[in-house]
Amino acid sequence: RKEVEQDPGPFNVPEGATVAFNCTYSNSASQSFFWYRQDCRKEPKLLMSVYSSGNEDGRFTAQLNRASQYISLLIRDSKLSDSATYLCVVTPNSGTASKLTFGTGTRLQVTL
Amino acid sequence: EAGVAQSPRYKIIEKRQSVAFWCNPISGHATLYWYQQILGQGPKLLIQFQNNGVVDDSQLPKDRFSAERLKGVDSTLKIQPAKLEDSAVYLCASSLWGLSGELFFGEGSRLTVL
Repeated sequence: RKEVEQDPGPFNVPEGATVAFNCTYSNSASQSFFWYRQDCRKEPKLLMSVYSSGNEDGRFTAQLNRASQYISLLIRDSKLSDSATYLCVVTPNSGTASKLTFGTGTRLQVTL
Repeated sequence: EAGVAQSPRYKIIEKRQSVAFWCNPISGHATLYWYQQILGQGPKLLIQFQNNGVVDDSQLPKDRFSAERLKGVDSTLKIQPAKLEDSAVYLCASSLWGLSGELFFGEGSRLTVL
């Protein structure tokens, strides 16, 4: 089983739609979780951290389910500019940036 | 503030040739990473430095890949000899020591091995 698994997509959604991605992880000792965004032929950039209590940043909501070992990202009111690959990132250590493991990414295409 | 600088942006070589990539992290960032991203996959960590010491190189193919970070600032990643499967984007990233999760990536060096 891969350390971090994501549905590669693509998810094709119309503008204004709500879309959700899940990511599962295999190491139950994992401590820190993140979503990165990667535009086509660009470098990944941090989108948001995922906290145990869940967190929201504008149209984006991230959730963590430790019992089932998955994290999710919800995007409301999708914009064309949200089209990108969303990378799930897991690390076993809290407080350091060591051993970040990236998933393969989920591609989102928002259309008119 | 200047970001992570990488060069060259693109490189095309034939198999069995050698290639070197250079990275200059954000000033003050103690931790430096080299990732390999093959098309359609997520970045895979090759090596992590803390200042000029290696923290993790468990996934670095040491028979052909080498990396160094002299003086704890910029770093080079070398591949010798290159194989077809080394075709990928080599991403350098840096982070502040102790800052969890936020890596700052350079634009990457795209390698094509023919």
